[in-house]
Amino acid sequence: DIVMTQTPLSLSVTPGQPASISCKSSQSLLHSDGKTYLYWYLQKPGQPPQLLIYEVSNRFSGVPDRFSGSGSGTDFTLKISRVEAEDVGVYYCMQSIQLTFGQGTRLEIK
Amino acid sequence: EVQLVQSGAEVKKPGESLKISCKGSGYSFTSYWIGWVRQMPGKGLEWMGIIYPGDSDTRYSPSFQGQVTISADKSISTAYLQWSSLKASDTAMYYCAAEGHVWGKGTTVTVSS
Repeated sequence: DIVMTQTPLSLSVTPGQPASISCKSSQSLLHSDGKTYLYWYLQKPGQPPQLLIYEVSNRFSGVPDRFSGSGSGTDFTLKISRVEAEDVGVYYCMQSIQLTFGQGTRLEIK
Repeated sequence: EVQLVQSGAEVKKPGESLKISCKGSGYSFTSYWIGWVRQMPGKGLEWMGIIYPGDSDTRYSPSFQGQVTISADKSISTAYLQWSSLKASDTAMYYCAAEGHVWGKGTTVTVSS
């Protein structure tokens, strides 16, 4: 199984400040088709997950541009340039080669 | 509007069977895979398996192989997740998701004697 490891597991951020979440996979997520199947989701309290980023760095429709994804191979990062109150929730990275999520990173506002 | 509508909350006893559903609308149901995700109380997300309704090709995550059955009826644009004998440890929220970006609101399953 491909294991996804996120750090940190929790973040407390002042509104307007940046935030960063790391996700490392136990195997390369670069597929033979040239794509890298790494996704980022946000699960707000009481809601299903919502897709933020697909294939490492592509923002999904309607996702604010303060969210960005980067990385390659086994190391990936989600960055929020200026955290807002509505960004509270749990962030998950996910790989779709074998379908596993990271443990989740809880973001709270200071 | 593209959406997935899941069946309502269930309360069952250990050993009982259960089938929950996920109905797609607003898109070509047979053209996109649908997956099931488990979220146990206070815990993270776990993929259980996926199905491609066009040909019913189904893949299970190793942890769930043999524990549940995923199926789909393309004539009514509905995917299913079923158990033959529930355990207390099956108590969780279950989400369906199409292509990873359209999600149902979830079905709560409670298994208790």
